[in-house]
Amino acid sequence: DADVTQTPRNRITKTGKRIMLECSQTKGHDRMYWYRQDPGLGLQLIYYSFDVKDINKGEISDGYSVSRQAQAKFSLSLESAIPNQTALYFCATSASGVQREGNTGELFFGEGSRLTVL
Amino acid sequence: AQSVTQLGSHVSVSEGALVLLRCNYSSSVPPYLFWYVQYPNQGLQLLLKYTSAATLVKGINGFEAEFKKSETSFHLTKPSAHMSDAAEYFCAVRPNFGNEKLTFGTGTRLTIIP
Repeated sequence: DADVTQTPRNRITKTGKRIMLECSQTKGHDRMYWYRQDPGLGLQLIYYSFDVKDINKGEISDGYSVSRQAQAKFSLSLESAIPNQTALYFCATSASGVQREGNTGELFFGEGSRLTVL
Repeated sequence: AQSVTQLGSHVSVSEGALVLLRCNYSSSVPPYLFWYVQYPNQGLQLLLKYTSAATLVKGINGFEAEFKKSETSFHLTKPSAHMSDAAEYFCAVRPNFGNEKLTFGTGTRLTIIP
């Protein structure tokens, strides 16, 4: 089983619909992230959470919201999807405490959720 | 502030030839540097990372990268390309302390010519 699991893996929806992408992890990491990947743009950070009570906006948070339901679960919502939100979405985790116990803050990724908004 | 520039969004090499993917970084403090690989329809996985222990870093699948502070570079190489190396490669940087997040480059798509 994957350490970072995303559901659904693929979703096609219509403009104006509400969509939720879910992420769960078994790595025991405190920190979780949502990224968006578009061709030629690399990875753009949408939201991140350093613990259950901590939620922060990333570079491109407009049109998105998140919920950290538990240490292991972090979901991304599109309240009213639009076509330019068609993209590949990745959840990632990292351990806290850079430089302690050899931690470098590297990210561990899920396999992605491909969203198409018509 | 930190940033990463990957020179060449697409690179093609023949099977058996040298692979060289370029990454230059900008960081106001000593960095940690990473190379990630993304195979088709998969998530990103770590190839290798620089953590200041050694300037030449060896990773999985025969890849290695050399940290050159004077050139602010962290280029990825592999002596002999294999068809299975076809993927997208991302370079990333973060400070070696604190809560700063990784900053990614825009990626380089590697194509292997049979």
